Order: sequence, then structure tokens, then C-alpha cells
Amino acid sequence: QQPVQSPQAVILREGEDAVINCSSSKALYSVHWYRQKHGEAPVFLMILLKGGEQKGHDKISASFNEKKQQSSLYLTASQLSYSGTYFCGTRNNTNAGKSTFGDGTTLTVKP
Amino acid sequence: EAQVTQNPRYLITVTGKKLTVTCSQNMNHEYMSWYRQDPGLGLRQIYYSMNVEVTDKGDVPEGYKVSRKEKRNFPLILESPSPNQTSLYFCASSFTGSLTPLHFGNGTRLTVT
Repeated sequence: QQPVQSPQAVILREGEDAVINCSSSKALYSVHWYRQKHGEAPVFLMILLKGGEQKGHDKISASFNEKKQQSSLYLTASQLSYSGTYFCGTRNNTNAGKSTFGDGTTLTVKP
Repeated sequence: EAQVTQNPRYLITVTGKKLTVTCSQNMNHEYMSWYRQDPGLGLRQIYYSMNVEVTDKGDVPEGYKVSRKEKRNFPLILESPSPNQTSLYFCASSFTGSLTPLHFGNGTRLTVT
């Protein structure tokens, strides 16, 4: 089952913050986050493993709550370069070959 | 430079004409996978390979074939393409394990008329 992302789209001004959520009906072992700019390949941002774990990448951080089966991506003081579509993904714990991605959240940062 | 290379980047073909999209990686990754991306549907896995000669179906394998004869190459074959296979295709690779990040190729935009 595909993870569900919300919101589907966000429009921000430079300097504003945003939160993107990813939830699953199945138990999550890990969550991957990727960003895809228009016309380009998805690029890896971070992986979260443990429940409650938080990680950071520049001013982008994420948390993972395995009990709630959800992860959130936090974009702080957004920059124009943050624009793109963000995907959360999971890789099956018992079968690392299977992977599923959410539908994506399109983030637009305006000057 | 470490990379996943897909060819061609753009392909327009007609219904029923067999085609192959190539994918090659130079990072010595065991795992390779194909995805299709359609508006509003995110990335959906077509096939994956855990290692040479080991392939398995993803979520949307119908109408596609793959082979993994060498570690670096993982071609996607459409024996008889149909218009519903018009999509953006991505190949990805990684080391084995659910905690390793995927490295994506630049994509192949396929149009089947």
C-alpha cells in the first residue's frame, strides 16, 4: 500500500516554513525522503530508521514516529532552491527489493 | 563520476513495436529497480533485481520484461507497447538493504501512439 502524503501542494514565500506529512497504513521500518526538481531525477535527502528519530539536511529536517506510522519533513526558512516535489518512500523490511512511494508534495517557493 | 545512465532520454514509438530502455550504473550496486511516474500517482515500481540473474515483480509489472545478465546493466523491455505505457520511466540502483538510498537515472520519457 502506498504511503499517503499531505498536503498535495504548498506555496510559500522565501523564509517561510513548511511541513510535509507521510503516513502509512502498514507498519513502517524506515522512511526515505527524496526531492525531485522539474524535469530531473529524484534526489535522496535522508533516511529515518528509529521511532522518534530526527535528522537534518541543511534547514530540512525530518521526524519518524513508528507508533503512529508516520513521518514529517520540516522545511525551515525556505529558499527558492527548495522548490520541487517531495516524495516519501519505504522499502520493505523483510524484502528490501520492494519499495513504494507516496504521491508526492509539490512545494513552490516564491520570492 | 558515480551515476545511473538511462538511454534514450526521449522515445516516441507506435503501438506494438518492441523497444528497450537501457540502464547502467557504475557504483557496483547489487540492487537495481525500474519505476514509472505518472501525474498524481508518484513513482510506482515495475521490476527490481537484487543481484545478477535475480529479478522480481514490483507493483505494476504487466507489459514489461527485464533481465539482469551483468551487475551494471538492467534493461527494461516492452515487447508490445501500448498507449497506456506512455509515461516517464526511472531506473534506480543502490547497495542491498532497506536502509540504503536509491540513486536515480535522469529518466526516459516514452510516448506510445
